[in-house]
Amino acid sequence: NAGVTQTPKFRVLKTGQSMTLLCAQDMNHEYMYWYRQDPGMGLRLIHYSVGEGTTAKGEVPDGYNVSRLKKQNFLLGLESAAPSQTSVYFCASSETGTSYVHEQFFGPGTRLTVL
Amino acid sequence: AQKVTQAQTEISVVEKEDVTLDCVYETRDTTYYLFWYKQPPSGELVFLIRRNSFDEQNEISGRYSWNFQKSTSSFNFTITASQVVDSAVYFCALTPSVSSARQLTFGSGTQLTVLP
Repeated sequence: NAGVTQTPKFRVLKTGQSMTLLCAQDMNHEYMYWYRQDPGMGLRLIHYSVGEGTTAKGEVPDGYNVSRLKKQNFLLGLESAAPSQTSVYFCASSETGTSYVHEQFFGPGTRLTVL
Repeated sequence: AQKVTQAQTEISVVEKEDVTLDCVYETRDTTYYLFWYKQPPSGELVFLIRRNSFDEQNEISGRYSWNFQKSTSSFNFTITASQVVDSAVYFCALTPSVSSARQLTFGSGTQLTVLP
């Protein structure tokens, strides 16, 4: 059981370049999330998905797009990277629960630098 | 809107001291869940505890204990007899019980350093 994995672990981009971060989970979770972590600000939700084929905006969605074509994968795209997107990106997943809230399982993170 | 405040940005203690990490939250929801996560220097986030707003019982797990007080909107975390391996950033987080996607709102974290 690999849990939640993220690819790549590190990346350096130039302003204006595009890239896609891949998140994969093998726990059959319905819910998946993308967060960014910046110094002194905790984690902030970018986008999330409640199931295959669905996505929704979180707190800081501008400049990002996502897709959930397969249940186990959640992709985060940057179409035109900006220095303000320099951050550590975390993917997470969790089970559904009608009367119970499950914890989120996090991936190891991707450190992205935009020059 | 929800908000989680961890006023202690950094705490430094000497090994074997007890330390309490504060968490204060704001929410309009009547039912909600609170979480604590640990982020060691390696960077991954590790789940520590989940607490339902219905349940105000304190919880103890080994050297860790949690004090949930709904009246003061606080969910504080105490480490007894701290160890160097406890050095990490600790995050408190909140989600409403009735949210369709269980989005977490995180505090800004407390960096705990335990000195040998």
